[in-house]
Amino acid sequence: QVQLQESGPGLVKPSETLSLTCAVSGYSINSGYRWSWIRQPPGKGLEWIGSIYLSGSTYYNPSLKSRVIISVDTSRNQFSLKVSSVTAADTAVYYCARQNGYYDHTGSHYYLDYWGQGTLVTVTS
Amino acid sequence: QSVLTQPPSASGTPGQRVTISCSGSSSNIGSHTLTWYQQFPGTAPKLLMYDNNQRPSGVPDRFSGSKSGTSASLAISGLQSEDEADYYCAAWDDSLSNWVFGGGTKLTVL
Repeated sequence: QVQLQESGPGLVKPSETLSLTCAVSGYSINSGYRWSWIRQPPGKGLEWIGSIYLSGSTYYNPSLKSRVIISVDTSRNQFSLKVSSVTAADTAVYYCARQNGYYDHTGSHYYLDYWGQGTLVTVTS
Repeated sequence: QSVLTQPPSASGTPGQRVTISCSGSSSNIGSHTLTWYQQFPGTAPKLLMYDNNQRPSGVPDRFSGSKSGTSASLAISGLQSEDEADYYCAAWDDSLSNWVFGGGTKLTVL
């Protein structure tokens, strides 16, 4: 059974960098798929942050691209998220997820099939 | 303002059939498959439907999905109290180069 678990500080000061890690168990990241981060501000909807491929290629939400870095550590079977220069607007539950599916001539057939339980990150001084 | 438009709320009585709509554009729903997620309070979203109308293993066949043009819908038949949750649609958007989600629909079982 594939499981994902987020970890990292629950409190971050404004202007600092938010750092989270997603540990994957039950599946080797080396075997493929893409790995994503999604966030959800309290009481609001979901926002995709970005995804990383096994090759190291990354795709980021254009609205966050200048502040986000997603990386993968295959030796530890985990991937990470860094968001710099955070503000109160970055307060959210952060989820990691596995991106399954494929892309063909008919378009994207991707979906997020396994999710972590989520971790609340609050930006406060 | 979400790129994909969903009604903020929906409701039904046990046993009833309820549908939740998701409206987009040619750059997202019109060009790519749609996914639905179910989320209970305080928990992570769960994959409910992918490729417009495919149910993952374990999802009851009471749930069905459809897509036409730039709109899609999720139907729940034989509504049960345990279906009370938030439902989100999602798709890739070519114009934004971004995954986009609907704002979510809170389903209440009366």
